Amino acid sequence: AQKITQTQPGMFVQEKEAVTLDCTYDTSDPSYGLFWYKQPSSGEMIFLIYQGSYDQQNATEGRYSLNFQKARKSANLVISASQLGDSAMYFCAMREDDYKLSFGAGTTVTVRA
Amino acid sequence: DARVTQTPRHKVTEMGQEVTMRCQPILGHNTVFWYRQTMMQGLELLAYFRNRAPLDDSGMPKDRFSAEMPDATLATLKIQPSEPRDSAVYFCASGLVGGRATFFGQGTRLTVV
Repeated sequence: AQKITQTQPGMFVQEKEAVTLDCTYDTSDPSYGLFWYKQPSSGEMIFLIYQGSYDQQNATEGRYSLNFQKARKSANLVISASQLGDSAMYFCAMREDDYKLSFGAGTTVTVRA
Repeated sequence: DARVTQTPRHKVTEMGQEVTMRCQPILGHNTVFWYRQTMMQGLELLAYFRNRAPLDDSGMPKDRFSAEMPDATLATLKIQPSEPRDSAVYFCASGLVGGRATFFGQGTRLTVV
């Protein structure tokens, strides 16, 4: 069974606007972590943001925020004030008790000027 | 600036040859992962070490792949003999048990002809 589901293969967003990338997950572990990574065309995997299952508040890192809805098992990434450099593939990932990361299929974001 | 270092960045080899990929995890990190990324399969976990001990290598084809951590500063992934279907980007990642991030190296792009 898929542990991480990203239903949006690709998205377009206008520069300076916000974009929300969807991620749902499936786990029975009470303790887990959720990650978002950015993969630009250069191919590197860049860590963006982390949310722990017991964290009381939604995580934020600069223009990135994670909309964590535990009951719905969703961990959507919001990128505010999009920039051309935000054009990339974005991956949602989950770490369970075994500390392995499971990745979704990714969402390609294209920022238009 | 701490980072995961992978060598080589690119490798082209002929079918049947041995390939060795190396990874230097971030100093002090006690978990190390090897992932493979292809267009068809996305990001797949190949092997996982904690405190240099292999905890999970179920994602690796055992007959040709091997992963080791000879010391805390070096992880290796070997393919012998290599096949064209092994062509992919291989990522090493490291983190801390209980940590809030897992960091990736820049990857090794392997092409087997």
